[in-house]
Amino acid sequence: AQSVTQLDSQVPVFEEAPVELRCNYSSSVSVYLFWYVQYPNQGLQLLLKYLSGSTLVKGINGFEAEFNKSQTSFHLRKPSVHISDTAEYFCAVMDQGDNDMRFGAGTRLTVKP
Amino acid sequence: GAVVSQHPSRVICKSGTSVKIECRSLDFQATTMFWYRQFPKQSLMLMATSNEGSKATYEQGVEKDKFLINHASLTLSTLTVTSAHPEDSSFYICSARDHSGQGGYGYTFGSGTRLTVV
Repeated sequence: AQSVTQLDSQVPVFEEAPVELRCNYSSSVSVYLFWYVQYPNQGLQLLLKYLSGSTLVKGINGFEAEFNKSQTSFHLRKPSVHISDTAEYFCAVMDQGDNDMRFGAGTRLTVKP
Repeated sequence: GAVVSQHPSRVICKSGTSVKIECRSLDFQATTMFWYRQFPKQSLMLMATSNEGSKATYEQGVEKDKFLINHASLTLSTLTVTSAHPEDSSFYICSARDHSGQGGYGYTFGSGTRLTVV
């Protein structure tokens, strides 16, 4: 079974600064990887996903993530954050050929002016 | 894109009553839907996998008699919290897998239901 570890529970950052949210996974098989954003009292919105191919994945709102198979990581980055990026971010993994998606504990990104 | 509609968004009920939450895929057919529970400041915990026309598959530790799931059509799954108690208060989120290519091996999530049992 797969699992996901988000290494930082909270990340405070100033507006226009770069940010990286870290995610590591474990699985015995090939996986699909996802990043979701959740605003208060809302569902999850897909930011980006890695299915295959290029290891650098670009998503919405200026976010990107890089799949590193050797380090089993899928860190999320943004070169310049905005106040509106303040939210909870979840990394998720799904074994290829499976239906179950498992989530990390989440990282609370707080962008300060 | 793929849209999942979840209702109600908020519900307050008295202890001992039952509450039904609906999850609909609006522009695609979902043979499989998923129900999650989220406690404050925590991640999503998969409760059960809802399969159209068959019984739901529950995760270990989830009481199937308390959390009744019905997936009667390709666009609708319902979660009924029976004989609710204050400890059932939580944020419940459904999701569906869109196989049409729009979701692309990902899930589309509903907007969630905040259940408060008083």
